[in-house]
Amino acid sequence: DVKVTQSSRYLVKRTGEKVFLECVQDMDHENMFWYRQDPGLGLRLIYFSYDVKMKEKGDIPEGYSVSREKKERFSLILESASTNQTSMYLCASRYSGTNTGELFFGEGSRLTVL
Amino acid sequence: DAKTTQPTSMDCAEGRAANLPCNHSTISGNEYVYWYRQIHSQGPQYIIHGLKNNETNEMASLIITEDRKSSTLILPHATLRDTAVYYCIVRLNNAGNMLTFGGGTRLMVKP
Repeated sequence: DVKVTQSSRYLVKRTGEKVFLECVQDMDHENMFWYRQDPGLGLRLIYFSYDVKMKEKGDIPEGYSVSREKKERFSLILESASTNQTSMYLCASRYSGTNTGELFFGEGSRLTVL
Repeated sequence: DAKTTQPTSMDCAEGRAANLPCNHSTISGNEYVYWYRQIHSQGPQYIIHGLKNNETNEMASLIITEDRKSSTLILPHATLRDTAVYYCIVRLNNAGNMLTFGGGTRLMVKP
């Protein structure tokens, strides 16, 4: 089975701290994604990556950056965390050659910024 | 991507079939219908997808109307573990980057 693992289920950080959210997938997927999920707003795409060292902005990239140095790992970085970045963060991956469009999600990282 | 409309919540008795409707009246000819679900505190999980034919897998069946303006996800024998939010999404098959989930239907399976 495909496994997408996010490094932390729950984090509490202070305003201004740098935050790293790590995501690792074990199925050699080319495409990886970071979403945030907030009540009433559904899932919103922050950044995605088509392949190693490739990255594209999603709908809400402001305040975030990403890193994809290895195929299996996609990191989301909050350079200076703010309270409005308190959210559930979800990582997903996908094989680019599939015709199903199926995304595999991790279990999420709930970040609280105080 | 075409917009979808789903009921906010539904109840279903354990062991009975759960039928979750979705309206997507503005769907275009090359857009697929996808269903995901999200169990509390977990990431979304893919269930099934289809273009115009009905589809079935080990989790569920997907019935798409002939005009493709609506669909129904069927869980044939709902269990308590099927309690989740179910999302219906329509999208092009080659654009996995943008996936807009919307509000979904909160299914409560009751004993």
